[in-house]
Amino acid sequence: QSVLTQPPSVSEVPRQRVTISCSGGSSNIGHNAVNWYQQVHGKAPKLLIYYDDLLPSGVSDRFSGSKSGTSASLAISGLQSEDEADYYCAAWDDSLNAWVFGGGTKLTVL
Amino acid sequence: EVQLVESGGGLVQPGGSLRLSCEASGFNFDEHAMHWVRQVPGRGLEWVSGINWNSHSIGYGDSVKGRVSISRDNAKNSLYLQLNTLGSEDTALYYCAKGVRSSYSEYFDDWGQGTLVTVSS
Repeated sequence: QSVLTQPPSVSEVPRQRVTISCSGGSSNIGHNAVNWYQQVHGKAPKLLIYYDDLLPSGVSDRFSGSKSGTSASLAISGLQSEDEADYYCAAWDDSLNAWVFGGGTKLTVL
Repeated sequence: EVQLVESGGGLVQPGGSLRLSCEASGFNFDEHAMHWVRQVPGRGLEWVSGINWNSHSIGYGDSVKGRVSISRDNAKNSLYLQLNTLGSEDTALYYCAKGVRSSYSEYFDDWGQGTLVTVSS
């Protein structure tokens, strides 16, 4: 059971928009920044969003992040087949003194 | 170009030990926190341990606390993870990740390709 809760899977057709939620608590998302990672099958994770809503250099602006209270969201617009991957949210947890990840969400582009 | 190359994984018997290494290049290693994150095949990511730039701040995940030890050698641009009393639950791909810290928070901006640890008799 992950400390951060994500839906196991989402799916959408190309060119549409999809959102992935990440729910936590006051000791993690409610108090600390959220980072998002993309993991294409068989590859290492890649930083997608940091500090809730910032895009690293080289990441498409089709990706965006937001946070409200103890929940965060990742949105992907203009879906492309190359976006098929697993997406993970992560945050520092003040109570556990540890980084915690969501269980991951598998995105399928239909 | 940042490169993180893990090594040291392999097949080990239950109760055994293993030392993982991560050789870094392409950035000022001694300016960054470093982390180990593992992934059971087909499952999610789990933070194992982290160490700050001068080794003065170290943390461990609950599932490995007391059984693992993280260290680094800035002169060799290398990160290490000593795994002891290994059990089947430790079977996973172990990633080395570079941390970027600010006064606000931290994120992992570069990851290695991982080294596979298999615990089995």
